[in-house]
Amino acid sequence: QVQLVESGGGVVQPGRSLRLSCVASGFTLSNYGMHWVRQAPGKGLEWVAVIWHDGTTKYYGDSVKGRFTISRDNSKNTLYLQMNSLRDEDTAMYYCARSIRGVISEFDYWGQGTLVTVSS
Amino acid sequence: DVVMTQSPLSLPVTLGQPASISCRSSQSLVHSDGNTYLNWFQQRPGQSPRRLIYKVSNRDSGVPDRFSGSGSGSDFTLKISRVEAEDVGVYYCMQGTHWPPWTFGQGTKVEIK
Repeated sequence: QVQLVESGGGVVQPGRSLRLSCVASGFTLSNYGMHWVRQAPGKGLEWVAVIWHDGTTKYYGDSVKGRFTISRDNSKNTLYLQMNSLRDEDTAMYYCARSIRGVISEFDYWGQGTLVTVSS
Repeated sequence: DVVMTQSPLSLPVTLGQPASISCRSSQSLVHSDGNTYLNWFQQRPGQSPRRLIYKVSNRDSGVPDRFSGSGSGSDFTLKISRVEAEDVGVYYCMQGTHWPPWTFGQGTKVEIK
């Protein structure tokens, strides 16, 4: 069955970096665009970034633009989020979600999330 | 950016009674391809979001038929015909027509009275 498993979260000091991973199984990752969505503790959902199925196109939310980089390795069935210059306000659960190529707004399956805590 | 506004933000419901959540967008969500990309998600306590409804009114596989979505343009509704205990959680609408960014409503917390 479709599974998305995030990892790489943890406690990190402000200004430092972290790389999140999202491993896909049960489907062919190269057929799907992939999103990162985050949720601060007790808050709502915020879209972070998207990458097209072939990696050719990427978009970022204003709050992370210039600091975060989304990438993927379809041969490893893995999506990444490189987070640099982390701030307190980046503290959140980070989810990956998929969307079939050609319908980038699907968000039909989500992972269980990985928690990032930015604190000194 | 398209702003999504949900109401109410808190919805206490009696078991077996209906519930309705409104979602309004700051501009029409009709895409140039003719589709309206409005999704509804359920997030149960301690779980990740799960898509219930896509393109306004299409129910996902495995979603009970007591859930239904309707609306058009910039005005949408999620209805639960008879609330069950397992429906407790937060419900979000999300627009996928005018991107980036993809934007979510604030969430509506459904609880049992």
